[in-house]
This record gives sequence, structure tokens and C-alpha cells, in this order.
Amino acid sequence: EAQLLESGGGLVRPGGSLRLSCAASGFTFSSYAMSWVRQAPGKGLEWVSSISGLGDDTFYADSVKGRFTISRDNSKNTLYLQMNSLRVEDTAVYYCAKGTGHPSGWYDYWGQGALVTASS
Amino acid sequence: QSVLTQPPSASGTPGQRVTISCSGSSSNIGSNTVNWYQQLPGTAPKLLIYRNDQRPSGVPDRFSGSKSGTSASLAISGLQSEDEVDYYCAAWDDSLNGQLFGGGTKLTVL
Repeated sequence: EAQLLESGGGLVRPGGSLRLSCAASGFTFSSYAMSWVRQAPGKGLEWVSSISGLGDDTFYADSVKGRFTISRDNSKNTLYLQMNSLRVEDTAVYYCAKGTGHPSGWYDYWGQGALVTASS
Repeated sequence: QSVLTQPPSASGTPGQRVTISCSGSSSNIGSNTVNWYQQLPGTAPKLLIYRNDQRPSGVPDRFSGSKSGTSASLAISGLQSEDEVDYYCAAWDDSLNGQLFGGGTKLTVL
């Protein structure tokens, strides 16, 4: 069974940077698109970014475009999210999620989440 | 502000059948499949329905999904107290080139 484990969350000052990692196991990592979805405290789910299985296609929500970068290392079965110029409104639990063959599909496995807090 | 519109709340009594709606547009629900997620408090979301009406293994057949035009629905029959959690619809949007989630519906079992 697929397993996803996020790491790298924490407290950061507005304007600062943070990199999240998601270690995957139990499936052929390079065959599946992967995504990041976040949830602000007490709010609903918000899609952040997706990447194709080979890493050659990336997609971003307008709210993070130009500030966040999604990437993956298929040799390490790991997904990343580099977050720069963080804002208070980026405070949320960030989930990595396993997709289907294309980023437009559904998410059948989710990690436990990593809390990112942007605050002065 | 979500482009997929769900009612913020829904309710029913044990054993009853309830439906949760999800309204979108031609660029999302109208041209792509709809998926539904269930989220218990403090936990990660769980896939409940995919490709409009398909259930992953392990999901009870009390849960069903449907889609018509630019709208979709999640139906829960034989309502149980454990169903009292949050539900989200989602679909890819071809104009935004990204995944959209509905605002979520909190289900209350009276």
C-alpha cells in the first residue's frame, strides 16, 4: 500500500523560505503525478501545485505562482515544495497527495500533513 | 473563493438518505470527472468517490456519486453517526489548468 510522509514544516517569518519534502513508498513513484494541497486553520482544502510523473509538467495555483516551486526526485522517491516569499496567508497544513497518470486526476493517497506557520 | 459551490452544511437523521451538491461550470465539471473526499477532524482527506461514480475498495456502497452537466452530487444512504464529517468535491479546471476543490460541506447526523 502507498505511504506518503511529509517533513520540513515549521515556523517562518513572513518573507522567509521553507522546503517541504514528501517521501513516498509502496508504489512506482515515477508513474504517478503528485500534488500538494493545503488547508488553512478552520478552512477548506486548497490545491497548491501538481507535477507529472517524469517532472516535465508543473502546474500552480495563482495564489502561489512565482513564489512556490514543485519538483521531484524519482531516484529518491521524493516530492518537494520550495516555498519562498512566504506570507501570513500561506499558514496551513500542507498535504502531499498521490495522483493518477496525469495531474488532472484524483488523489487516492494522502500524507499526514506538515504544518507551516508564517508569522512574525 | 471556490469555483465549485457546495452547501456549507447538510443534515439528516440516522438511516435517512442525504445528498450533497457540487455546482461548477463548463471548464471544470462540464468537461472533467468529479471526485469526492471525506475528511475526519484533524486527519488527512480520504478518497470517497472518483471518476464521478466509482468507489475505491473499502468504501461502503452507502456512498454513491453522480454527475449531470455542470453539477455533481454525493449521496449517502442509511446515514450513520460516523458519517458526521466534512465532504469536498473536486475537479480539474481546463481554464485555470489546476485542480479545484469545493468549499466543503459539514454533515450533521441529528
